Formats: sequence, structure tokens, C-alpha cells
Amino acid sequence: DGGITQSPKYLFRKEGQNVTLSCEQNLNHDAMYWYRQDPGQGLRLIYYSQIVNDFQKGDIAEGYSVSREKKESFPLTVTSAQKNPTAFYLCASSFTGSHQPQHFGDGTRLSIL
Amino acid sequence: QQQVKQSPQSLIVQKGGISIINCAYENTAFDYFPWYQQFPGKGPALLIAIRPDVSEKKEGRFTISFNKSAKQFSLHIMDSQPGDSATYFCAASKRNSWGKLQFGAGTQVVVTP
Repeated sequence: DGGITQSPKYLFRKEGQNVTLSCEQNLNHDAMYWYRQDPGQGLRLIYYSQIVNDFQKGDIAEGYSVSREKKESFPLTVTSAQKNPTAFYLCASSFTGSHQPQHFGDGTRLSIL
Repeated sequence: QQQVKQSPQSLIVQKGGISIINCAYENTAFDYFPWYQQFPGKGPALLIAIRPDVSEKKEGRFTISFNKSAKQFSLHIMDSQPGDSATYFCAASKRNSWGKLQFGAGTQVVVTP
């Protein structure tokens, strides 16, 4: 079954700690995206990548970093510089080209201890 | 600020009724308008999408109406069922924007038996 796997489902971070969220897809998609979801604010784009070894900042990239070393994987690191990291994080992927549907994983909920 | 404004924030409808969610945008460069459905603890899934060259698109009980001059579009859920209870997001994107979607804030729909 093709799809997007995000892990872990729940993650807790201590103050001053970096944490990495995993996203893996087996849909053979070139493009991958990270979104942050907060209550009442919809989804906001953090980073996106159209091809291996290349990625671009989205609307709220401050305090986050990513890498794209493999087509299937797009991990997101929430750094200690992100002052309000508690949120639901969603990874998505799609084929490249205009208006390709994005397929989402089931998210990781990050909380601060 | 949010480029796509969505209303209402929540709505309750009886089984068999019609759910209507509205979205408005300002950027006339947007040319693709998808709707996503999200169940609790899950990632959003593409429900239906429309381009501005048509005024209406229907898929089963779900219909998008599009008013280009008013820069508004809406989702109608006909014969609403308890299984339709979810959060619905409208979104918009521009051609050649690397798949970047601007999401509305979401509408929580509850269908009562």
C-alpha cells in the first residue's frame, strides 16, 4: 500500500531541545511539504522540496530546518529557536507540476514538557 | 495574514440537511481551488477541486460553486450524513507556484443523527 508515514505520532520536547520529525513516502512523488496546524489557523507551510538536495522556505520557516537526501524522506527538525513549537505537524507529498493533489500523512503532535 | 478567508468556523446540521461552507480570496493569480476533508487525528484528504474556468463541479453529494467576479467559492454537502462530520479546509494556489497551497482556517462540521 502506497502512502506517507509520519513518526512518531506523539512527541514531547523539553525546553532548549531540538527534535526531529520523520516523514517517509513510497508514492514515488518528487515534491514534499511540511505544514504546521494550529487550532483556528488552518495549515501553514513550513518548508517544501521539489527535488532531492533542494528545498525552499515556506511562510513560517523560522525555528525549523529540513533535509532532503533521499526522494522518499523529508525529515523536519524543530530547533530550540522555535519559541512556540506545540502544534500538529503534517507532511505531504505530490508529483511536481501545477496543481498536483497533495497526499498527507497522519501527522505528529508535538508538545512541550 | 490569511490569503483565503473561510466561514463559518463551525456548523451543526441535521442528517439529510445541506452543509454550506464559504471561502473568499483576494489574489486574482489563484487558479486552482481544492477542498480537503480532515477527520480527528488524521491528515487532510483531497475531496474535490475546481479551476476558475467552470462555475460548478459536482462529485457525488459534494458540489463546489465558484464565482470568479466575486472571488468566492463554496462547498455544498447535500444529504449530509454523520460520517461527513469532519473539518473542511478550502485552499488556493497559483500556477507555477511549486504546489504551494494557501489554506483557509477550516470549518468543523457536525452532522447530528
